[in-house]
Amino acid sequence: DIQMTQSPASLSASLGETISIECRASEDIYSNLAWYQQKSGKSPQLLIYAANRLQDGVPSRFSGSGSGTQYSLKISGMQPEDEGDYFCLQGSKFPLTFGSGTKLEIK
Amino acid sequence: EVQLVESGGGLVQPGRSLKLSCAASGFTFSNYYMAWVRQAPTKGLEWVASITNSGGSTYYRDSVKGRFTISRDNAKSTLYLQMDSLRSEDTATYYCTRGFAYWGQGTLVTVSS
Repeated sequence: DIQMTQSPASLSASLGETISIECRASEDIYSNLAWYQQKSGKSPQLLIYAANRLQDGVPSRFSGSGSGTQYSLKISGMQPEDEGDYFCLQGSKFPLTFGSGTKLEIK
Repeated sequence: EVQLVESGGGLVQPGRSLKLSCAASGFTFSNYYMAWVRQAPTKGLEWVASITNSGGSTYYRDSVKGRFTISRDNAKSTLYLQMDSLRSEDTATYYCTRGFAYWGQGTLVTVSS
């Protein structure tokens, strides 16, 4: 199985701050990587797919990058509504696997 | 507008069965792969099973293989998850998803005596 190692587990950021979340795959996943935001009690919302493609309707302050085994999600200018949990998902090979999540809070 | 509405969750004893449904609307259901993803209370997301648009191929995580069956009725635009021999570790909110881009609101399954 492909292991997705996500870091950090938690993050506290000030309004307007730029933050990054990382996911490292245990093998090459060929950019088959998506990022999700999940708010408390809600279902996940797709932010980024194919490593760097912004989902329709997602603010442009969200961006994704990476290739091979290393991927990152960047939020350029933290906003109050960005608080929540963030997960990565590899779609390269079954079983599909998620990162363990990052809890993002406002400082 | 894409809508996915799960139903069928509830409290069930270990070893018993439950069948989840996901009613889809707002798109041509038969054109899309579908999947079930679960999330145990206060835990992360876990892929459970996927099915191709025709239903001809299915995929499962090892821990549910032989116990869960994913299926679909394209005429009814509905996805199913038949869960047999349920265990306490299957306790989770189960989400239906279209290609991992659109998600339902989830249905809670609690396996407990």
